[in-house]
Amino acid sequence: AQKITQTQPGMFVQEKEAVTLDCTYDTSDPSYGLFWYKQPSSGEMIFLIYQGSYDQQNATEGRYSLNFQKARKSANLVISASQLGDSAMYFCAMRENNYGQNFVFGPGTRLSVLP
Amino acid sequence: DGGITQSPKYLFRKEGQNVTLSCEQNLNHDAMYWYRQDPGQGLRLIYYSQIVNDFQKGDIAEGYSVSREKKESFPLTVTSAQKNPTAFYLCASSTRSGRSDTQYFGPGTRLTVL
Repeated sequence: AQKITQTQPGMFVQEKEAVTLDCTYDTSDPSYGLFWYKQPSSGEMIFLIYQGSYDQQNATEGRYSLNFQKARKSANLVISASQLGDSAMYFCAMRENNYGQNFVFGPGTRLSVLP
Repeated sequence: DGGITQSPKYLFRKEGQNVTLSCEQNLNHDAMYWYRQDPGQGLRLIYYSQIVNDFQKGDIAEGYSVSREKKESFPLTVTSAQKNPTAFYLCASSTRSGRSDTQYFGPGTRLTVL
């Protein structure tokens, strides 16, 4: 079964507007971490933001914030004030404590920022 | 500057040849990983190593081999047994002590079999 689901293969957003990229996950492990990565056309995976399963507050890093809804098993990435350089693939990933140090990645969402 | 380096950036191989992809990190991370990415797809785990001289198979290890003789280095060999090796290969590393244990990635190697 898919552990990480990203239902939006592609998204468009106007420059300077906010956009939400969806991620839902499946785990029975009470201790886990959720991560978002950005992959520009160069191919390198860039770490954006982390949310732990026991964290009480939603994570924020600059223009990135994570809308964490634990009961719904949802960890959506919100990008505020989109910039042209935000155009890239975005991957949601999960690390379960019972699964050691390994990550499971979702299929990704391609974001295109329009001028 | 701390980081992960992968070489070469582009690699061409003839069918039937083995080829080795390099991955080096100077982040003092214990754990290292190899992923494969096919066009338009997510990442799939090939091999991982939590400590020196130890490594484990990931989801798609067939046709690949690794070694971990030094903490800084985790080379991946793509053997002739790998039926469809053309792909983008990403190396990553992480700590094993923190709650987040974020994985950090190298720039990748694009392998093409001719």
